[in-house]
Amino acid sequence: AQSVTQLDSHVSVSEGTPVLLRCNYSSSYSPSLFWYVQHPNKGLQLLLKYTSAATLVKGINGFEAEFKKSETSFHLTKPSAHMSDAAEYFCVVSETRRDDKIIFGKGTRLHILP
Amino acid sequence: DVKVTQSSRYLVKRTGEKVFLECVQDMDHENMFWYRQDPGLGLRLIYFSYDVKMKEKGDIPEGYSVSREKKERFSLILESASTNQTSMYLCASSDLLVLYEQYFGPGTRLTVT
Repeated sequence: AQSVTQLDSHVSVSEGTPVLLRCNYSSSYSPSLFWYVQHPNKGLQLLLKYTSAATLVKGINGFEAEFKKSETSFHLTKPSAHMSDAAEYFCVVSETRRDDKIIFGKGTRLHILP
Repeated sequence: DVKVTQSSRYLVKRTGEKVFLECVQDMDHENMFWYRQDPGLGLRLIYFSYDVKMKEKGDIPEGYSVSREKKERFSLILESASTNQTSMYLCASSDLLVLYEQYFGPGTRLTVT
């Protein structure tokens, strides 16, 4: 069975400092992993995806994530936070098999301090 | 620009009312999904559909039904609304072969009083 755990429900960083949002997963098969972002009063938007190609994945707005199989992690990072990054971020796992299912993490709310 | 639209952004209904939430996508996607989003619980799948007139239960289907008469439209129905169905409802769609790359609507915040 697959599962995903976002280790922090809230993260606060100062503008201009690095962002780290942590995600661990569990999967019996080859997983596909994603990060989605949800800005206030908006729907979710795909930020980036890992589907068994390069382990370092670059997404929109300067975000990137690294797939580490040995650590079962897929942490989201950004070198320098911007005020517009304030949002909720969801880590998602999907197993690439016939009856694959998508599991959303519970979300991490990112606060940017001026 | 791809688009998923939901009929209402905010909705207030009374306990026992029948509620319809509508979702339309313009991307010719085969798959469509209904989720509910609650603080601390993330997104939970209610139902999904992979073709017209086809539907599959998700993780929390109790108290809900769905209808997909046309490819672009997926409706969520609360037969008899209850206060524990107060939530944010999100619709999404995806291509048949790329199930996990989903495009979301803006959501409908439903309050049942």
